[in-house]
Amino acid sequence: GENVEQHPSTLSVQEGDSAVIKCTYSDSASNYFPWYKQELGKRPQLIIDIRSNVGEKKDQRIAVTLNKTAKHFSLHITETQPEDSAVYFCAATQGAGAGSYQLTFGKGTKLSVIP
Amino acid sequence: GAVVSQHPSWVICKSGTSVKIECRSLDFQATTMFWYRQFPKQSLMLMATSNEGSKATYEQGVEKDKFLINHASLTLSTLTVTSAHPEDSSFYICSARDGGGYTFGSGTRLTVV
Repeated sequence: GENVEQHPSTLSVQEGDSAVIKCTYSDSASNYFPWYKQELGKRPQLIIDIRSNVGEKKDQRIAVTLNKTAKHFSLHITETQPEDSAVYFCAATQGAGAGSYQLTFGKGTKLSVIP
Repeated sequence: GAVVSQHPSWVICKSGTSVKIECRSLDFQATTMFWYRQFPKQSLMLMATSNEGSKATYEQGVEKDKFLINHASLTLSTLTVTSAHPEDSSFYICSARDGGGYTFGSGTRLTVV
C-alpha cells in the first residue's frame, strides 16, 4: 500500500517568512496529492491540491510542487501570518478521478508562526 | 460545496456501553465513506471503507465486531463503537468522495470513562 512520509514534524517561523513542508510517497500509481490544514479539534480543511499531470500549482500565498520522478511534493507558504499556525497534513491517493480510493496521510507538521 | 454532516460532535459514555456516530452527505450521494480515527497529536488513521449496500472493508488491526459500520443508503453511514473502553477515546472523522475530492465530517470527540 501507499506510504507517505512528511517532514518536518514541527516548524517555527517568524511572521512574514516562508514555510516549506515536504512529503514523499511510495506508490507510483498515486495521482492526487491534497494538503490539509487542521486546527485543534476540527476537521481537516483542504488548502490546496495537485494532480499528477501538473508540476506546480499556486493559490495566493500557498503553492504546491510535485516531482513525480522523485515521488515527492512540497507545500510552500509565503508571507506567513499568525493565523497560519496549525497542523498541516499531506496526503496521497490514486483517486484523482473517482472511485473508492483511500487517502493516505503523512504524520503532520505543526506550524507555529511567531508574531 | 459538498457537505458531510457528522453527529454527535462530542460524546462521553461509560465503559462497556455503545456509541453510534452518524455521517450524512447533505447535497450529494456518497457511494463510499471512509472512517478515520485520530489520537491526540497524531495523524488520521483509516479504520475502514464502507460502500453503500455492501460490507465495510476494515484495515488491518481494526476489530470489525467492535467498530460496526453500516452504509445502508447513499446519504448515511454510521459507525457504532460497541462495548467502548477508555482506550477507544479518540477523535473519529468520516470522509466521503465528492466528485474529484474528499469531504470531511466535523468529527466526533469520544471520551469513554
